[in-house]
Amino acid sequence: GAGVSQSPSNKVTEKGKDVELRCDPISGHTALYWYRQSLGQGLEFLIYFQGNSAPDKSGLPSDRFSAERTGGSVSTLTIQRTQQEDSAVYLCASSSGQGAGELFFGEGSRLTVL
Amino acid sequence: AQSVSQHNHHVILSEAASLELGCNYSYGGTVNLFWYVQYPGQHLQLLLKYFSGDPLVKGIKGFEAEFIKSKFSFNLRKPSVQWSDTAEYFCAVNTYYNQGGKLIFGQGTELSVKP
Repeated sequence: GAGVSQSPSNKVTEKGKDVELRCDPISGHTALYWYRQSLGQGLEFLIYFQGNSAPDKSGLPSDRFSAERTGGSVSTLTIQRTQQEDSAVYLCASSSGQGAGELFFGEGSRLTVL
Repeated sequence: AQSVSQHNHHVILSEAASLELGCNYSYGGTVNLFWYVQYPGQHLQLLLKYFSGDPLVKGIKGFEAEFIKSKFSFNLRKPSVQWSDTAEYFCAVNTYYNQGGKLIFGQGTELSVKP
């Protein structure tokens, strides 16, 4: 597609359930990022993939969070045993990876944990 | 660790007023600097960026930002705001050594422009 696609756009789940959020980056973009946007917290970096390199996981808040990127394209962010504090908008972005260039963001997946 | 600080959480202006949003970062090396904007109901998009050269950079919609290395600042300015500038503005930084590396964002500044 022309832009970064994320699904689902909205997810409501019960505390303790696992959720998977999907990101389909712009075709040809080698870099893929996940951020979390909470009210008043700005954008919190979670994880960054660049080509075949090991991902930078330094932003993942706990071991309940994990992400993978298959075939250098689609990425899935998994949150296990969700907690109410995980409620936020999860944003995915991609870039060409050339010269610290522009990030292109998706619309986000809004997660609500009841 | 890198960090980005935006001084104002919420700014309210009348149309035609001048705008300056503060941004400071903490990193002693070479940096790339960005301002992103999120209009209501829309996704984040790039407003302007600084990599090197002229420290005064111009972006879309009449915005500009000035990189002052000695102050570790990259403030965003616009001489005359419009109602359509109502949005949330994010400053971001990444370090030169890892081009295309992770971008660290500030907490954002919400701008409300009264018609």
